[in-house]
Amino acid sequence: DADVTQTPRNRITKTGKRIMLECSQTKGHDRMYWYRQDPGLGLRLIYYSFDVKDINKGEISDGYSVSRQAQAKFSLSLESAIPNQTALYFCATSDFEVAGGTFNEQFFGPGTRLTVL
Amino acid sequence: QKEVEQDPGPLSVPEGAIVSLNCTYSNSAFQYFMWYRQYSRKGPELLMYTYSSGNKEDGRFTAQVDKSSKYISLFIRDSQPSDSATYLCATGFQKLVFGTGTRLLVSP
Repeated sequence: DADVTQTPRNRITKTGKRIMLECSQTKGHDRMYWYRQDPGLGLRLIYYSFDVKDINKGEISDGYSVSRQAQAKFSLSLESAIPNQTALYFCATSDFEVAGGTFNEQFFGPGTRLTVL
Repeated sequence: QKEVEQDPGPLSVPEGAIVSLNCTYSNSAFQYFMWYRQYSRKGPELLMYTYSSGNKEDGRFTAQVDKSSKYISLFIRDSQPSDSATYLCATGFQKLVFGTGTRLLVSP
């Protein structure tokens, strides 16, 4: 079974529609992240959460919102989708920082390909 | 200036070639440097990481960091068609910063 799952895997929607992308993990990690990936721009951080009560904006949070429903679930919403939000979206998780160090391996889900027409 | 810069490629090589993938970064405080590999239609997976300057070897893969020049490298020896993927360098603290990724194509 996959440790980090994302639903849906593919979605086509129209401008102005509200869209929710969901992420679930069975790794028991406290930290969860949402990224978008665009050709030539790489992975960019949208939001991240270090525990259920902690939500932080990333590099490109405008037009997005998130909800951390439980340790294992982190959802990303596009309140009113626009075409330039067409991208590949990834959820990731990580454990606490290694004691005394700052290594932060992140484990990624399979991605959601979102197209906004 | 981006915190991490990486040539997007694509880089095409014949099977058996030595591949060199490179990144530069701007924040001298970064200590951990990672290489993620992403196959088509998959999420990135950690390939290897290094701490501070120096080399780390894992089979055909060698990661190298030169903190004096803020340069990160990944070398692949005896490249195989199965190495065809996008390779992303990453560094940071609690939040990672990724390079744009270099697409590698290894032809039989």
